[in-house]
Amino acid sequence: DAGVIQSPRHEVTEMGQEVTLRCKPISGHNSLFWYRQTMMRGLELLIYFNNNVPIDDSGMPEDRFSAKMPNASFSTLKIQPSEPRDSAVYFCASRRGGLVYEQYFGPGTRLTVT
Amino acid sequence: DQQVKQNSPSLSVQEGRISILNCDYTNSMFDYFLWYKKYPAEGPTFLISISSIKDKNEDGRFTVFLNKSAKHLSLHIVPSQPGDSAVYFCAASEDFGNEKLTFGTGTRLTIIP
Repeated sequence: DAGVIQSPRHEVTEMGQEVTLRCKPISGHNSLFWYRQTMMRGLELLIYFNNNVPIDDSGMPEDRFSAKMPNASFSTLKIQPSEPRDSAVYFCASRRGGLVYEQYFGPGTRLTVT
Repeated sequence: DQQVKQNSPSLSVQEGRISILNCDYTNSMFDYFLWYKKYPAEGPTFLISISSIKDKNEDGRFTVFLNKSAKHLSLHIVPSQPGDSAVYFCAASEDFGNEKLTFGTGTRLTIIP
């Protein structure tokens, strides 16, 4: 089975530009999570979806960040406009649900904003 | 406010010996705990979990112990192998895993051959 797929793996952009990160969860999983990893704050949850519906977006830093899940097999995290402090590794994870609680992570997108 | 804490940023252990990684939490509503392992340039990989109704869970070389009164859990790896060198994250959840995970900041484990 394919794992969680994220694209791009690396993104370098200039301050002020729009950035879109993409995620394809594992087929059959009904929850999707976006995380950000930085040296200072470790792994922090940004937002998560159950059955394509956003459940908790309290971790989204500010209005420059937005996330969508138009269907069960695709999600995007958008930053507009991007700032240097957004530089981090962004992970997507999915979970089957029911009695299966483990989250399965993608390889991450390393974002550098100059 | 760091609800899940891993106070040791790094740990070095001789190959073949026991590795013990520690984690403390402050939120008494947490009732499900997980350990993840992360290699460089990869996403975290699930390792082992434990529900608050247990105090121990074992899977091969990996054992997780939970002390609810102390709000403390630990991961034991025995015997340690070079492939165990990675960053280990402790995570916790409410509602027996149905809620979001809160992660610790990680401990970098280095196994010395």
